[in-house]
Amino acid sequence: GAVVSQHPSRVICKSGTSVKIECRSLDFQATTMFWYRQFPKKSLMLMATSNEGSKATYEQGVEKDKFLINHASLTLSTLTVTSAHPEDSSFYICSARDEGALWDGYTFGSGTRLTVV
Amino acid sequence: KQEVTQIPAALSVPEGENLVLNCSFTDSAIYNLQWFRQDPGKGLTSLLLIQSSQREQTSGRLNASLDKSSGRSTLYIAASQPGDSATYLCAVNAGNNRKLIWGLGTSLAVNP
Repeated sequence: GAVVSQHPSRVICKSGTSVKIECRSLDFQATTMFWYRQFPKKSLMLMATSNEGSKATYEQGVEKDKFLINHASLTLSTLTVTSAHPEDSSFYICSARDEGALWDGYTFGSGTRLTVV
Repeated sequence: KQEVTQIPAALSVPEGENLVLNCSFTDSAIYNLQWFRQDPGKGLTSLLLIQSSQREQTSGRLNASLDKSSGRSTLYIAASQPGDSATYLCAVNAGNNRKLIWGLGTSLAVNP
């Protein structure tokens, strides 16, 4: 089945630095990937839709200059948290769908735990 | 506007019990509905996907049903085990590459 790989699984960074999170579709191509943020004991919050070869679509209230998304190929989307602050500490998860498969559900990465100190 | 509700928010049962998790949605014009499992600090694992034209899907001890007209889906877990302890999330998909609409999840604890 479709596999989505997300790296790193855990990162600790200092305030003011930038962190890049990668999301790869391993055995399929994805023109669209989705980035979520999850707060402790809360459900997923969609941050943005990553579109291959074009600009990402951000959800209301999400700062596009803060959370930079690049989807340069059909198998890779990256989320860069710029000038990170402690309030950016959270669990970030990406997902994608194999548009060429009969099974058209969404597959998720294993998530990235970001801690900003 | 589509809204998804999951009941109960938390459930604690002894090992071996059969249990039902509920998911309801306000707009019946859905493309499909997906049930996921999330372990603490981990990503999501897809359990079952039901297309709008289907009534149920089964995988091992799991059975998910869909009643689109009433806006309900249930996830039935037979003979629960401690390893089933996790948060179960349902998500409704309105169409191709449309964003998923999520419930808040049911936190399940199966006690040995």
